[in-house]
Parts: sequence; structure tokens; C-alpha cells
Amino acid sequence: KNEVEQSPQNLTAQEGEFITINCSYSVGISALHWLQQHPGGGIVSLFMLSSGKKKHGRLIATINIQEKHSSLHITASHPRDSAVYICAVGSGGSNYKLTFGKGTLLTVNP
Amino acid sequence: NAGVTQTPKFQVLKTGQSMTLQCAQDMNHEYMSWYRQDPGMGLRLIHYSVGAGITDQGEVPNGYNVSRSTTEDFPLRLLSAAPSQTSVYFCASSTSGQPRGSYGYTFGSGTRLTVV
Repeated sequence: KNEVEQSPQNLTAQEGEFITINCSYSVGISALHWLQQHPGGGIVSLFMLSSGKKKHGRLIATINIQEKHSSLHITASHPRDSAVYICAVGSGGSNYKLTFGKGTLLTVNP
Repeated sequence: NAGVTQTPKFQVLKTGQSMTLQCAQDMNHEYMSWYRQDPGMGLRLIHYSVGAGITDQGEVPNGYNVSRSTTEDFPLRLLSAAPSQTSVYFCASSTSGQPRGSYGYTFGSGTRLTVV
């Protein structure tokens, strides 16, 4: 079973700060997912990546397959970025069974 | 496209009652799955399906049944509800034929279930 560890568990930032959330996993994967969940809300997929780097607006996701590590960066953070960010991995050659980290609660203060 | 539709959004059950959580997607995705989300535990896989007629167990399948008679629908049945099944349930779908730039998974809006 793949173990997925996220850090930090909680993160408080001031508006405009650069944010980094980390994710480590224990065995090889087919793809890694970053998800966003607002309090009491649904889950939105932000990125799916298996190598390199992806960028979407102010969000950047990177993955290092050799080190089994991924990071999610938020540039110029805004209060609307406040949410739980969840890392999930599809392993064993399948992307249809996900193992999730416990999430990082991000609070961005104005 | 509606994406993934889950019903109901909220449900209260008495211990021992049965019910079905509905999940439907209109994206022709072959993969569908059910997860439960509990405080401090993260999301955990209950059951999944890789196509119509094919289902398998995930990490926490006890007390739940699924079937996949069509590509669109993947209902989750609680056979005899227990307080330990109080949770938020999410259905999700995905496809192996990911277009460039795909975000991978589409989640339903969730069902908040309380068993008393």
C-alpha cells in the first residue's frame, strides 16, 4: 500500500506570500494528483502529473519521480486560496485507484 | 455537461436501515469510484469499477455493495447502516484516455450521511 505524506498539515500565510505544500509517497506511481477542497465543499482536481512540472494560473505543481516527491506552489496567494489541498497517487500501474494524503489546511489572511 | 451527479446531498438514517447513494456521470468515463472522507483520516477508497459489469473492492469495502450495469451509473448501497458509516461520501470518475491538459478526476459534490 502506498503511503502518502503531506506537509505541513496546517499553513497560515499573509496575502501575497508564496506558498509551498509538499507530498511524499512510498512506492512507484502512475500519476500524482493535487486536489482542492473548500470548507464544506466539493473536491476539485487541480493537476494530474506523472513527470516534470505543470502550471495553471498562479498554481504550479512539480514532481520528482526519483525522490518520490511532489510540491504544489501558489504564487501571490489570495484569501480565496484558503482551502484544504490534497495530494493523491495512483499506483500499481493503475490510475483508477487513488491513495490520498490527509490534506493541508491553508489559510490566507488579507 | 453535468459532470458527476450525486444524490442525495444529505441523509439521516437509523441504525439498521438500508439505502442507496446514487452516482451518475455523463462524460463516458470508464473508471468510477466511491470514497468516504472522515476527519483525520483523509479520503479512503470503498469500491471502484473499471467498466460496466466490472467492480472491485477498495480499502474499506465492508458494509457496502456496488454494481455497474451501465457506463453512466455507479450506485453505492449501504446494506445495514451503522454509526461507523457516518461520513461524507464522494463519487468520482476518470478515463484512461486523458486528453492533454486533463485534470484527471471529476468528483461529485458529496453526500453527507449521518447514522443515528
